[in-house]
Amino acid sequence: GQNIDQPTEMTATEGAIVQINCTYQTSGFNGLFWYQQHAGEAPTFLSYNVLDGLEEKGRFSSFLSRSKGYSYLLLKELQMKDSASYLCALSNSNYQLIWGAGTKLIIKP
Amino acid sequence: DGGITQSPKYLFRKEGQNVTLSCEQNLNHDAMYWYRQDPGQGLRLIYYSQIVNDFQKGDIAEGYSVSREKKESFPLTVTSAQKNPTAFYLCASSIEGGGGQPQHFGDGTRLSIL
Repeated sequence: GQNIDQPTEMTATEGAIVQINCTYQTSGFNGLFWYQQHAGEAPTFLSYNVLDGLEEKGRFSSFLSRSKGYSYLLLKELQMKDSASYLCALSNSNYQLIWGAGTKLIIKP
Repeated sequence: DGGITQSPKYLFRKEGQNVTLSCEQNLNHDAMYWYRQDPGQGLRLIYYSQIVNDFQKGDIAEGYSVSREKKESFPLTVTSAQKNPTAFYLCASSIEGGGGQPQHFGDGTRLSIL
């Protein structure tokens, strides 16, 4: 079967670093996406990993280990505007996206 | 500016009524998708279309219908057969339907029952 797990909620302090984990089980894998979604708004694309390793994009980085079924999103120099839900989604063997329930990130001053 | 437009932003449905949610994109994308988002759950795929005049059922297609007569338009009808339609509905598109392309989302339609 297919399954994605993310923590439901995390809290971090402005200016700090936070790592949001995503673990998955799937019979076929064609990449993993991270999206940001502010409350009541549309998800916006952050990153896509298809090979193992770290992809860096400014303050945000995403890591993938296919053998461990594991990914994380790393956010540095946290800002209040980073308060949002972060969605992990994997592209399966049918090239459909399977979505995690999302991690709500709360940033405190 | 290219993007995806969903309308209306809020919609109320009476018992026994069909309602249609609009989704238009000017990104020249081949693939379009409809998702439903409920609190505490991941996005669930209702229908998707990889090319004009073709569409496939997703995981929760019962009680919904779609059409793809034009490349830029992919309307979703929530029929009276959908007994629990209250949710946030998101339309998305991607350059192609291969799964390796990011999906771009509209701002969503929030549907409630009167």
